[in-house]
Amino acid sequence: GEDVEQSLFLSVREGDSSVINCTYTDSSSTYLYWYKQEPGAGLQLLTYIFSNMDMKQDQRLTVLLNKKDKHLSLRIADTQTGDSAIYFCAEKRNAGNNRKLIWGLGTSLAVNP
Amino acid sequence: DTAVSQTPKYLVTQMGNDKSIKCEQNLGHDTMYWYKQDSKKFLKIMFSYNNKELIINETVPNRFSPKSPDKAHLNLHINSLELGDSAVYFCASSRGQGASEAFFGQGTRLTVV
Repeated sequence: GEDVEQSLFLSVREGDSSVINCTYTDSSSTYLYWYKQEPGAGLQLLTYIFSNMDMKQDQRLTVLLNKKDKHLSLRIADTQTGDSAIYFCAEKRNAGNNRKLIWGLGTSLAVNP
Repeated sequence: DTAVSQTPKYLVTQMGNDKSIKCEQNLGHDTMYWYKQDSKKFLKIMFSYNNKELIINETVPNRFSPKSPDKAHLNLHINSLELGDSAVYFCASSRGQGASEAFFGQGTRLTVV
């Protein structure tokens, strides 16, 4: 996870917007992902963006990609207590003839009522 | 009808023992993975198999040996367990290496005492 960086903690008030940021290093990465891990559970894909897109919106989620700065963000509108989880950023990187996911360290989002 | 299932969910064992964790996916995926998540929630890939063939082997002690009897199963055997092996181990699968989504199991919490 050392090549994909995220801040470790974020705390927001219920109803506010949350913005989770991520920076990556490989400009040739084709896909960038956001996974969500709820307490005691495995990771679930939340959303992803292809590298030729700048923005993707899905209901309360907005993903912004700045390829020049290698910066990815996830905005959650109207954050709810059920959004409390760890959010992992990941990039799909070519590794020789293979591809592998490089993971960030995860951002713990705490939503306060 | 769980997509990726791991057993056991919890495993408590003494140092020096040998243990196995099993993983099965019923999604028809070609690629399976083992991840380790430590107490700080940092996620690291350990192994990746594609059609029963090892394709990624990160720097993992050779006390860890994955075995894939068929492409629906990827088991993890650990010899001579050490305290530092305590973690949550996640199995995951994806349609292929280029696939956009990995499906995760619920995790196996291993505690070595």
